Amino acid sequence: DSGVTQTPKHLITATGQRVTLRCSPRSGDLSVYWYQQSLDQGLQFLIQYYNGEERAKGNILERFSAQQFPDLHSELNLSSLELGDSALYFCASSVSSIDTEAFFGQGTRLTVV
Amino acid sequence: AQKITQTQPGMFVQEKEAVTLDCTYDTSDPSYGLFWYKQPSSGEMIFLIYQGSYDQQNATEGRYSLNFQKARKSANLVISASQLGDSAMYFCAMSGNQFYFGTGTSLTVIP
Repeated sequence: DSGVTQTPKHLITATGQRVTLRCSPRSGDLSVYWYQQSLDQGLQFLIQYYNGEERAKGNILERFSAQQFPDLHSELNLSSLELGDSALYFCASSVSSIDTEAFFGQGTRLTVV
Repeated sequence: AQKITQTQPGMFVQEKEAVTLDCTYDTSDPSYGLFWYKQPSSGEMIFLIYQGSYDQQNATEGRYSLNFQKARKSANLVISASQLGDSAMYFCAMSGNQFYFGTGTSLTVIP
């Protein structure tokens, strides 16, 4: 158990809908990262938060947004879902924002039908 | 720009043998970290080992060791005494303003 909790584990939804993925980092970790893993794209970095503030942005679509709350948990919001958004979404956390290992949650498997 | 390259899409190894998974990286940062993760078929990403760019000695964690050659910019993972449970996807990663991941190597351990 990595100590990073992601909910839900599985999500099936229809095109055009909106979903929220939740992540609770390991105790003491200030940094949260979101990744998307699909078969054809590999692991794609989406966004990073550090202590409530956005730190780095990757290939995140405008239909996607995220935030980190004062208690350090984070949410990834995906809207106007398309079939191509079906993927495994990972959250990872680390103590700081660089030079420390990141621990991953078990992922949320999103299926858009 | 930072980049991680894993050139072996798939590898096979006999049970109890050692195997080396290749990873090269590119960065202009003087300080960085190198990591290996294992992703079994169940999907979770499991942290295996970490090497800091200023560490003099190669990192080891049980049967895992990281062969760090800074001048060559390589950070190969060595798994000794392979077990059937080692069959998985292995990702090399580097820290920067995000974690940069390679495309992964699929390892199959043959009984």
